[in-house]
Amino acid sequence: GAGVSQSPSNKVTEKGKDVELRCDPISGHTALYWYRQSLGQGLEFLIYFQGNSAPDKSGLPSDRFSAERTGGSVSTLTIQRTQQEDSAVYLCASSPGLGGADTQYFGPGTRLTVL
Amino acid sequence: GEDVEQSLFLSVREGDSSVINCTYTDSSSTYLYWYKQEPGAGLQLLTYIFSNMDMKQDQRLTVLLNKKDKHLSLRIADTQTGDSAIYFCAERNFNTDKLIFGTGTRLQVFP
Repeated sequence: GAGVSQSPSNKVTEKGKDVELRCDPISGHTALYWYRQSLGQGLEFLIYFQGNSAPDKSGLPSDRFSAERTGGSVSTLTIQRTQQEDSAVYLCASSPGLGGADTQYFGPGTRLTVL
Repeated sequence: GEDVEQSLFLSVREGDSSVINCTYTDSSSTYLYWYKQEPGAGLQLLTYIFSNMDMKQDQRLTVLLNKKDKHLSLRIADTQTGDSAIYFCAERNFNTDKLIFGTGTRLQVFP
């Protein structure tokens, strides 16, 4: 079946512009996660959704970052007034949300470059 | 706090075994995972282990968990050039659902 998809795959923007990144989770997965992978770094947790609510926003690096999820499916991550340090690969993952191992399946990521 | 550490590089000859190590600090970890990331690709789940297990085997992969020392390892038998990638370990805390990742180990397999 279809995996997690993300769009766009690449985004180049100018400093100060807003960007929206989209994630389509695996159908039926109630949990959705956003992570960020900066060059040479590991993965940094940003935010987690269970259904449409976000019980854990602890990883959002500043108030320029926000995310929403509608209909328990698609999620968008918005970065306002982008800065060069926002350049990274943004990864989305989804999981069934049923407990147990609840393994997370990752999308291919969106590579964001802020000039 | 939560911290997961891995060595950055490992180089092995094709056909040998590879052992990638990981240490973590969170004693409340419930599950520990290994992911593989090939160049330009997303993360692929390889395997996971529940924290009350000490070993799990899946074809060429063997995961060993020493909960006392908070040490996790991934052994790849008969390593192939297609195994060249970055390998991330991750732990999941009992109280949260997010994964805490290590920095990744770059495995290079040479002929």
